[in-house]
Amino acid sequence: DAKTTQPPSMDCAEGRAANLPCNHSTISGNEYVYWYRQIHSQGPQYIIHGLKNNETNEMASLIITEDRKSSTLILPHATLRDTAVYYCIVRKINFGNEKLTFGTGTRLTIIP
Amino acid sequence: DSGVTQTPKHLITATGQRVTLRCSPRSGDLSVYWYQQSLDQGLQFLIQYYNGEERAKGNILERFSAQQFPDLHSELNLSSLELGDSALYFCASSGGTGAGTEAFFGQGTRLTVV
Repeated sequence: DAKTTQPPSMDCAEGRAANLPCNHSTISGNEYVYWYRQIHSQGPQYIIHGLKNNETNEMASLIITEDRKSSTLILPHATLRDTAVYYCIVRKINFGNEKLTFGTGTRLTIIP
Repeated sequence: DSGVTQTPKHLITATGQRVTLRCSPRSGDLSVYWYQQSLDQGLQFLIQYYNGEERAKGNILERFSAQQFPDLHSELNLSSLELGDSALYFCASSGGTGAGTEAFFGQGTRLTVV
């Protein structure tokens, strides 16, 4: 699996958009970008994933650059409950689904 | 609620003992993954099963083993426990027929070895 690079920590003011960057310069054509988050010691929570088009769901938006070497997760109106460690993962989608390989992630702190 | 159920939630046991952690995947999911997260450490992939067969193996110790049963639930067996095995153990599932490829995680089993 391709490796990802994320900043170790970020702060964001409550109510503002949180933009979390991720570099995945060695991503291959059949690898998707997935985002998960882990709040305290809870189980990781799926947020969103995409291949090359931008994606949006009820939780977040995912912007992937045209060359697919980087992406940004956007939480449009951050709340205190969004404080968590956010993981950007690249993953092949094959029959039976590949494992998720977690890096060190970005610790996002939402400031009141 | 992710739909993945792990039992027990907490487990305290002594060194040298053996324990079994159980995971019930989401209905219809064929893949089960096990992860270990030690204190202040990242999520380490241990092993994956797909429809009863081992599909991928990470840095799983020889003292650890797992299996997936015909009803698709999975068990992770940890033996000859050491203090360093104290960790959160997460199970995830994915790959239901017609479903997306996202993996959903349970709330974990916190194992404390004393």
